[in-house]
Amino acid sequence: GQQLNQSPQSMFIQEGEDVSMNCTSSSIFNTWLWYKQDPGEGPVLLIALYKAGELTSNGRLTAQFGITRKDSFLNISASIPSDVGIYFCAGPLGSARQLTFGSGTQLTVLP
Amino acid sequence: EAGVAQSPRYKIIEKRQSVAFWCNPISGHATLYWYQQILGQGPKLLIQFQNNGVVDDSQLPKDRFSAERLKGVDSTLKIQPAKLEDSAVYLCASSLFSMAVRSSYEQYFGPGTRLTVT
Repeated sequence: GQQLNQSPQSMFIQEGEDVSMNCTSSSIFNTWLWYKQDPGEGPVLLIALYKAGELTSNGRLTAQFGITRKDSFLNISASIPSDVGIYFCAGPLGSARQLTFGSGTQLTVLP
Repeated sequence: EAGVAQSPRYKIIEKRQSVAFWCNPISGHATLYWYQQILGQGPKLLIQFQNNGVVDDSQLPKDRFSAERLKGVDSTLKIQPAKLEDSAVYLCASSLFSMAVRSSYEQYFGPGTRLTVT
């Protein structure tokens, strides 16, 4: 089936640094979603992208819908300790609006 | 607005026992999903409901897993009998339904039930 490849798999950064992660697919997507999952909790929707080239921000988070429609990027500026968690990208499969998820990027913010 | 509710939050059972999980979606969300998330992986869809009908259960191991959403609101997911490899977090998510609304792609998750099978 369709796969979403996320990179990097994990990141260790210093508090205050900026972070970039991406998600790629061999298939074209019409929608990209970015979620964050804290330990012991369900994924929380951060940003939804619906148009190729679209750039959308949510506070210190900015996500972009790649112009090829096969990739998406998430940036976090001025990281803080509460940014720690796993970030997942997701895209819909077919017309039933089912989501396929990447394997996640584990972010650790060091004080 | 209340989010997706799930219970229990944690469950430990022995293999071959049965277990059931409950989910209450966001009010007004017609579409409900059950996912299985194994440690270190992204969520994997098990079943999708539209109101009280099944849209897709192709990934549900039907020899041991069952799910229902009788009145189109709450849903239960059951495993009987459980195997060691069923140890995972079971997530419920819901979304609006409308082919004309982009936000219907946006799924909102509950906190999950962590199942440990020993």
